Amino acid sequence: AQTVTQSQPEMSVQEAETVTLSCTYDTSESDYYLFWYKQPPSRQMILVIRQEAYKQQNATENRFSVNFQKAAKSFSLKISDSQLGDAAMYFCAYRGGETSGSRLTFGEGTQLTVNP
Amino acid sequence: ETGVTQTPRHLVMGMTNKKSLKCEQHLGHNAMYWYKQSAKKPLELMFVYSLEERVENNSVPSRFSPECPNSSHLFLHLHTLQPEDSALYLCASSQKGGQLLTNTQYFGPGTRLTVL
Repeated sequence: AQTVTQSQPEMSVQEAETVTLSCTYDTSESDYYLFWYKQPPSRQMILVIRQEAYKQQNATENRFSVNFQKAAKSFSLKISDSQLGDAAMYFCAYRGGETSGSRLTFGEGTQLTVNP
Repeated sequence: ETGVTQTPRHLVMGMTNKKSLKCEQHLGHNAMYWYKQSAKKPLELMFVYSLEERVENNSVPSRFSPECPNSSHLFLHLHTLQPEDSALYLCASSQKGGQLLTNTQYFGPGTRLTVL
């Protein structure tokens, strides 16, 4: 079974600085997808960024980028120029390939605090 | 984001009550999901509906009964719940299969359920 591990329950960063959130996963599949979601105090789960395992190029979305290391099964999220609105719980999620159904497996989350 | 809506946003019920949670998606998707988010636990997938057919039921107690009358609506009927069922219940939708851009799950704002 696939598992997703976020080893940092809490992280903090100064406004305008850069922070990296860690995520590792365990899978025997070669084709899969990875996601980062954020959940602010409103509890709305919002997609931040996504990556296809067969793509070697790391995904980027404005200030958000990932460091995808397939061999190491690592998928970290880098937030540049952190803003107060980035404060939230961040979840890493894994989805298998076409034959694995549509299940998303989530990590336990990292609570990010942004200090002014 | 109003692509996936959920009602009610908050619900308090006694153990003998019967209530229903409603989810509606306006994204043209054909797969819908129910997740449970309890304090200090990863999101747990409860049910998956694809093309209005239940394709996954993750050992959820029978006091939770899902219903998917069409591809845009998903219900979770609740009866004789226990206090440990208190949690945030999240609905999500996606396009079944396909490439990353189409199989990404989008979440509603959740229903905060308290069972007394």
